[in-house]
Amino acid sequence: DAGVTQSPTHLIKTRGQQVTLRCSPISGHKSVSWYQQVLGQGPQFIFQYYEKEERGRGNFPDRFSARQFPNYSSELNVNALLLGDSALYLCASSLVQGPQPQHFGDGTRLSIL
Amino acid sequence: GDSVTQMEGPVTLSEEAFLTINCTYTATGYPSLFWYVQYPGEGLQLLLKATKADDKGSNKGFEATYRKETTSFHLEKGSVQVSDSAVYFCALSRNKLVFGAGTILRVKS
Repeated sequence: DAGVTQSPTHLIKTRGQQVTLRCSPISGHKSVSWYQQVLGQGPQFIFQYYEKEERGRGNFPDRFSARQFPNYSSELNVNALLLGDSALYLCASSLVQGPQPQHFGDGTRLSIL
Repeated sequence: GDSVTQMEGPVTLSEEAFLTINCTYTATGYPSLFWYVQYPGEGLQLLLKATKADDKGSNKGFEATYRKETTSFHLEKGSVQVSDSAVYFCALSRNKLVFGAGTILRVKS
């Protein structure tokens, strides 16, 4: 069975641009979460979606937004990119919401020049 | 708010040595606790979990016990291998995952 898949693998943008990252959860998983991992640190929670509704939001500015589609895939959008947005963006899926084990994709490496 | 504190690394061990990575947490209620491992260039893989006090999670020779009285979830392995070299993250969850900063483990042959 396919795991969590993320695209693209790598992305280079310049300050002020906008970016969209994509995630396909494990088949049957209805909850998708997004995390930002800055080099040398642990992942930080950005969003959680369950059944196409936002169920949690971390301490990130409004430049960050996300959505979940009827097939449970998800997109993370970041507007007006800053140098500090350079990070590995991880998507994780789980069967349902709650304190479940989450299964991670390999991430999208975003570099801002 | 909820938080996780891990011992700082890097931890450097010889093959077959005993491993302990300390993890303590602060949280209201009774979160589930996890250890994740991250190999270079990859995402996080779930290593083991525990959902209530005194539960012991185990996988691939790694173990950790949920200690409510000391709010700890220390990771142990009796004999490490070179292939265990990676970054290890302790995490808690009541809904979202809250991670520690990670501990780099290097195992020398």
